[in-house]
Amino acid sequence: DQQVKQNSPSLSVQEGRISILNCDYTNSMFDYFLWYKKYPAEGPTFLISISSIKDKNEDGRFTVFLNKSAKHLSLHIVPSQPGDSAVYFCAASGDTGGFKTIFGAGTRLFVKA
Amino acid sequence: GAGVSQSPSNKVTEKGKDVELRCDPISGHTALYWYRQSLGQGLEFLIYFQGNSAPDKSGLPSDRFSAERTGGSVSTLTIQRTQQEDSAVYLCASSPPGGEGEKLFFGSGTQLSVL
Repeated sequence: DQQVKQNSPSLSVQEGRISILNCDYTNSMFDYFLWYKKYPAEGPTFLISISSIKDKNEDGRFTVFLNKSAKHLSLHIVPSQPGDSAVYFCAASGDTGGFKTIFGAGTRLFVKA
Repeated sequence: GAGVSQSPSNKVTEKGKDVELRCDPISGHTALYWYRQSLGQGLEFLIYFQGNSAPDKSGLPSDRFSAERTGGSVSTLTIQRTQQEDSAVYLCASSPPGGEGEKLFFGSGTQLSVL
């Protein structure tokens, strides 16, 4: 039972263009959605998050959009840089204090110079 | 301050042996998670500790897997009678009390290889 789905295993983008990574979820009880970035041989690191009461959160080149009615979120990276090449994981969690964080399968982003 | 520390970073073992993986979370973090990532796969939830509550063990794949968290700090993941399909990177994460969405801080993982 995959509660968080990332249907694109990989994405290739030209440097300077926009990268759009997508994520779908099934559980309407999730309160927060997070994106993590992972380089090889390292643990994932937090990138950006959004509360379910918002529909957009922006941090520099990174913007996360949330569509609750569609149970869909996306991460936009613009402009994309070669250093952004990594695996991106979408994650969802409920109330802090008791609801475990569930991760998607990840999308490998390649940014070509 | 130090981040989440996991040891060993690499472990090679023979099929049927028991292994213990250790996680030192960030001091003061009340939540601790174990995940594993098999080759080419996503992050699979294993177990979740939150403060003094009973752990959520719903992700443990079999009764060969167990985990403890002593004194609300260090955690040990034990795999008994290892099998080749247990080969994966085992990741530990911790998060502080309160805060938005339980942002997780991950260790670098333990690469387990079962021969």
